[in-house]
Amino acid sequence: QSVLAQPPSASGTPGQRVTISCSGSSSNIGSNYVYWYQHLPGTAPKLLIYNNNQRPSGVPDRFSGSKSGTSASLAISGLRSEDEADYYCAAWDDSLSGRVFGGGTKLTVL
Amino acid sequence: EVQLVESGGGLVQRGGSLRLSCVVSGFPFRTYWMNWVRQAPGKGLEWVANIKQDGSETYYVDSEKGRFTISRDNAKNSLYLQMNSLRAEDTAVYYCARGYGPKLGLDSWGQGTLVTVSS
Repeated sequence: QSVLAQPPSASGTPGQRVTISCSGSSSNIGSNYVYWYQHLPGTAPKLLIYNNNQRPSGVPDRFSGSKSGTSASLAISGLRSEDEADYYCAAWDDSLSGRVFGGGTKLTVL
Repeated sequence: EVQLVESGGGLVQRGGSLRLSCVVSGFPFRTYWMNWVRQAPGKGLEWVANIKQDGSETYYVDSEKGRFTISRDNAKNSLYLQMNSLRAEDTAVYYCARGYGPKLGLDSWGQGTLVTVSS
């Protein structure tokens, strides 16, 4: 069971907007930055969002992140077939003195 | 171009040891925190350990404290993970990844190396 809770799956049709939630606690999301990663099986994970809501260069502005209290969310607008992947939230946990990941959300583009 | 290339994975018996390596290029290795992250078959990503630029500070996931040791050689642009007393549940793809700080995001990752622990 992961320290950060994510829904195991999400889906949408091309062009739709999808949101993936990530729930934590005061020792992780509540007191540290949240990061989002996109992972296609067999490939290197990719940093999608850093410091709660910042996009690295090269990441389309269709991807956005937000954080409120001990929860965070990733929104993907204008859904495309190539967005089909696993998405993970992550944060540092002060109580564990370690980095924690969510269990991952498998996004399916119908 | 930033590159991280892991090696050292393979098949090992339960109770055995393995040393993973990650050689990097395309960026000043000695200026970054480095991490190991793994993914067991059918499971999600799990952070394993990280190490400060000069090796003076390390952090581990609770379950691996005492069994795994992370280290680095800045002269060789290399990161290591020594894994001892391996268990079946250590079977996973192990990724190395760089970060700007112990708590900050991981912005570049390798392709991973597969470790399989047989019983």
